[in-house]
Amino acid sequence: GEDVEQSLFLSVREGDSSVINCTYTDSSSTYLYWYKQEPGAGLQLLTYIFSNMDMKQDQRLTVLLNKKDKHLSLRIADTQTGDSAIYFCAESPRGSTLGRLYFGRGTQLTVWP
Amino acid sequence: GAGVSQSPSNKVTEKGKDVELRCDPISGHTALYWYRQRLGQGLEFLIYFQGNSAPDKSGLPSDRFSAERTGESVSTLTIQRTQQEDSAVYLCASSLVLGGHFIEQFFGPGTRLTVL
Repeated sequence: GEDVEQSLFLSVREGDSSVINCTYTDSSSTYLYWYKQEPGAGLQLLTYIFSNMDMKQDQRLTVLLNKKDKHLSLRIADTQTGDSAIYFCAESPRGSTLGRLYFGRGTQLTVWP
Repeated sequence: GAGVSQSPSNKVTEKGKDVELRCDPISGHTALYWYRQRLGQGLEFLIYFQGNSAPDKSGLPSDRFSAERTGESVSTLTIQRTQQEDSAVYLCASSLVLGGHFIEQFFGPGTRLTVL
């Protein structure tokens, strides 16, 4: 089965950049996603990237995709305390059940003032 | 606009009792998912409904777990003879599933289940 891997914890100081890394297993995945879960809430789609792209930038967020290494990263510039949350990487493999996403375990980002 | 809602928000039960958790997806969403999130753990897939297709039950951890969905509306997740290890937040999500493989799942706030 699919196995999306992420490091579990990341701590940064406010104002620094955060980089959250993810490896995925299925090179056929057409889209890769980053979801954010704030304390006590459900997950919310933060950003995504189409597999024919190497990079996507959206304000403070930069997503980098290395298809050869099956590596996805999320960079948050000028990290704020409000960015403290759990970040989940997810893939939708082409060969899997249509509509199913495979999530990593999530990276807990803690931002220190 | 209404998002995904779940009830109850919190449920405390005694070991051995049955519980039913409810999910109301976004109207018109054909796909519905249940996940479990144990304290400090990641997201664990349980079951997936898509339209009239047979559900993908590959994530259900034991035969004590079952789920139903009526058409493209409400779903209930039932846990029979609850055990302490069932304590977790149960998250429901719904999405539109189109042929292009882009899927945005919309999550409910979850039901926190505590088994004493």
